[in-house]
Amino acid sequence: QQQVKQSPQSLIVQKGGISIINCAYENTAFDYFPWYQQFPGKGPALLIAIRPDVSEKKEGRFTISFNKSAKQFSLHIMDSQPGDSATYFCAASIQQDDKIIFGKGTRLHILP
Amino acid sequence: DAGITQSPRHKVTETGTPVTLRCHQTENHRYMYWYRQDPGHGLRLIHYSYGVKDTDKGEVSDGYSVSRSKTEDFLLTLESATSSQTSVYFCAISGDGNYGYTFGSGTRLTVV
Repeated sequence: QQQVKQSPQSLIVQKGGISIINCAYENTAFDYFPWYQQFPGKGPALLIAIRPDVSEKKEGRFTISFNKSAKQFSLHIMDSQPGDSATYFCAASIQQDDKIIFGKGTRLHILP
Repeated sequence: DAGITQSPRHKVTETGTPVTLRCHQTENHRYMYWYRQDPGHGLRLIHYSYGVKDTDKGEVSDGYSVSRSKTEDFLLTLESATSSQTSVYFCAISGDGNYGYTFGSGTRLTVV
């Protein structure tokens, strides 16, 4: 049973545009929502994360928006650059658990 | 990636042969994980460890076994490799099991 649903599978955005990736979860016990970025030939790396007690977290051009009532969260990349082209994974975890659940990933391509 | 290395980076093996992948960490982290990454499936957890000699199954553990005899090493064994196990395998480490996973660079395994 997939507990974190991610969309879209792939996304093409013009340079300078806004990239938006969405995720939805089912388990209301989740209390930590990270995003990972993966470049070709590399392992995923933690990009940004949020807890459900805040509705938004921003780090540079990357913003997580969190909607607890809808059980949804999204990643916004402002002023998207070709160097942002990568695969992005959303994820969720429960503090007392010892593993995180990943979405299936979104392959983002930024056109130069 | 700093603090975590996977070996080998690439391997081609024949169907029916046993294969062992190694993950080595220098961070003294308690948790270690093995994932496989396949197109359309994202990252799927195979097995994980929460301490020396303490391991548990993930969602796709059939055909795989693991061992952790030292904090720093986590071995993944394909007991009798099949073509369906052709994949990219990632190891990850974590200090607390939830936050800030660090992934290795991956092992690309081809079973012919």
